[in-house]
Amino acid sequence: GEDVEQSLFLSVREGDSSVINCTYTDSSSTYLYWYKQEPGAGLQLLTYIFSNMDMKQDQRLTVLLNKKDKHLSLRIADTQTGDSAIYFCAESTGTASKLTFGTGTRLQVTL
Amino acid sequence: DVKVTQSSRYLVKRTGEKVFLECVQDMDHENMFWYRQDPGLGLRLIYFSYDVKMKEKGDIPEGYSVSREKKERFSLILESASTNQTSMYLCASNSPEAFFGQGTRLTVV
Repeated sequence: GEDVEQSLFLSVREGDSSVINCTYTDSSSTYLYWYKQEPGAGLQLLTYIFSNMDMKQDQRLTVLLNKKDKHLSLRIADTQTGDSAIYFCAESTGTASKLTFGTGTRLQVTL
Repeated sequence: DVKVTQSSRYLVKRTGEKVFLECVQDMDHENMFWYRQDPGLGLRLIYFSYDVKMKEKGDIPEGYSVSREKKERFSLILESASTNQTSMYLCASNSPEAFFGQGTRLTVV
C-alpha cells in the first residue's frame, strides 16, 4: 500500500537553503508533488515531478528524486520569511492518480 | 487561471443535519477527490472519482457519500452530520497537475 513520510519540523535562518525530505513506499508512483500550505489556506501546488525524472528546477525550488531509495526532496534556495508554511509531499498512484500525502513538514524561517 | 472552487469557506451545521459540500473545477479534469484535514493526521482521502458517475471509496468513507453527475462538479454529502466530522474539507482535481480548492471549514455543533 501507499505510505508517505516526512519529518515534522524544520527551522532555517533567512537566506539559507532549506531541504525538506520525504520517503514513499509505492514503487508504482507516477507523479510526486510538493505543496505549500499557509495558515488558514488551502494547498498551493509548488511543483511536481514525473517518476522517471531525477531532478526538476523551478526558480528557487529544486526537486530531487531517488527512485531506488524512494526518496524525494525539495530544496528552497535563499529561504525567505514568506516561505514559512507547512510543506506536503504527495504521490499519485493507480488509474485515478489517487493522491497520498505525507503528514507535512512545518518550515520555520528565523531572522 | 485554473481553478477549483468550493462553495463555502465556513459552515456551521447541527448534529443530524444533511450537509452538502460542493466542488467545481474548470480544467476538464477526469479525476476529482475529497479529503479532510485534521491536526496531527494530515490529509486523509474520503472519496474520489475518475469519471462522471464513477466513485471509489478512499481511506475514511464512513459517514460520507459523493455524487458526480457532471464532469466539473463533485459533491460530498454528510448524510447525518456528527461532531466528529468537524474538520477542514479539501477538494482537488488532477490530470496530472493536482489543484486544490480553498477548503471548507465545517463545524458540527
